[in-house]
Parts: sequence; structure tokens; C-alpha cells
Amino acid sequence: DTEVTQTPKHLVMGMTNKKSLKCEQHMGHRAMYWYKQKAKKPPELMFVYSYEKLSINESVPSRFSPECPNSSLLNLHLHALQPEDSALYLCASSQEGTGGDRAFFGQGTRLTVV
Amino acid sequence: AQSVTQLDSQVPVFEEAPVELRCNYSSSVSVYLFWYVQYPNQGLQLLLKYLSGSTLVKGINGFEAEFNKSQTSFHLRKPSVHISDTAEYFCAVRGAGGYQKVTFGIGTKLQVIP
Repeated sequence: DTEVTQTPKHLVMGMTNKKSLKCEQHMGHRAMYWYKQKAKKPPELMFVYSYEKLSINESVPSRFSPECPNSSLLNLHLHALQPEDSALYLCASSQEGTGGDRAFFGQGTRLTVV
Repeated sequence: AQSVTQLDSQVPVFEEAPVELRCNYSSSVSVYLFWYVQYPNQGLQLLLKYLSGSTLVKGINGFEAEFNKSQTSFHLRKPSVHISDTAEYFCAVRGAGGYQKVTFGIGTKLQVIP
């Protein structure tokens, strides 16, 4: 199994909603990442988890809350988002938390905030 | 800190013609270099990477890239493109050793014309 699975593929939410994005990998990777990608832009790193501990937070607003329940799962909890938060949210994993020498990316969750 | 410049935002090319996508980087330390491909509504897939050793790196789908330290370049090439190569291509860089954040270029849209 060499996949990173993200659910849901598409999500539409209101600014007062609470929702969660989920990411799962079964490759034994110990580092997992959340990226945000706006249209026609490169991915921007949001968070890095290494050995289930948050190691990097790229000054992301608190309305985004990551969680790593175990070594295979990574969640991103969303609350009180703004329309400008609409983007493709990508999860990735790599064997070690070295920034992604061989990072595997999921297909992303396309989020629309209305 | 590192930075990446992709000089062309769009590259149209006829099917079966060769293509080169340009990437230049800047860094005060040794770097690792990557090319990722993103198909529409998909996540990123690693095409190839340069960590050390031979400066000519071969990747998947017939792509190759050459690391040129003196010109700080890592251009991506393919001798004959197919319609299926139409996608966004991102060059990325990170500092060598330990955890280092991966920095992506703005991307080059390769449009293969039948």
C-alpha cells in the first residue's frame, strides 16, 4: 500500500460550521504534513507532525486545528473559516520528518467556504 | 533559506516534440532538488529528485533532469511528450540535512497540443 488517502474529496461548508478533513496512510511513515494550495499557486506548508507530535506550525490561524490520533491518521479540524480559506488541502507523508525526501501526497480535499 | 524560480508559467508544445521546463534555485547551503507533477484535481506526484551523486537524474514517465551547481539550475526534460503529460509541474528545493522545509516554485503548466 503506497497511498495516502484523503476524505472527503470535496467539502462545502458555511462560515459557522465545524468540519474535519481526514488523512490516512499505512506505509509506516512517521512524518505527516498538511499543505494548502490555492488555485494556480504552489502548495504551502501548514503543519508537520513527526512521530505523532506537532513539530512545525507555519503560523497557521487557530481556526485550523491539526490532530494526529495515531501514526497512520492525521486530521485537520476546521471551525469558523473564511471564504479566502477555500483551497485544495493536501496531506502528505514521508518516512522521516526530514521535509519530504520521498513524500507521498494524497489527492487532496477541495474545500469551498461559503 | 532557499528559493525557487520557474521561469515559464506556461509551456505549449506539440505532441512527440521535446520539452524543457526550467528551474533555477538559490541557497547558501547544499540542497536537495525535486520535480513534482500535478494532474488536474489531483495531489502531487514525485517525478524525480536529486540528493547527491550523478547530476543527471532519471525519473518516471520518461522525464529526466540535470543538476547544474554552477548555474544553480535543475531543468526538467523529456525527449518526446504525450498528451497525457499535460499537467502542472512544480520544482522544489530544500536544504540538505535534518528537517528542512520544502519550498515549491510557482509551477509550470505544460500544455501538449495534439
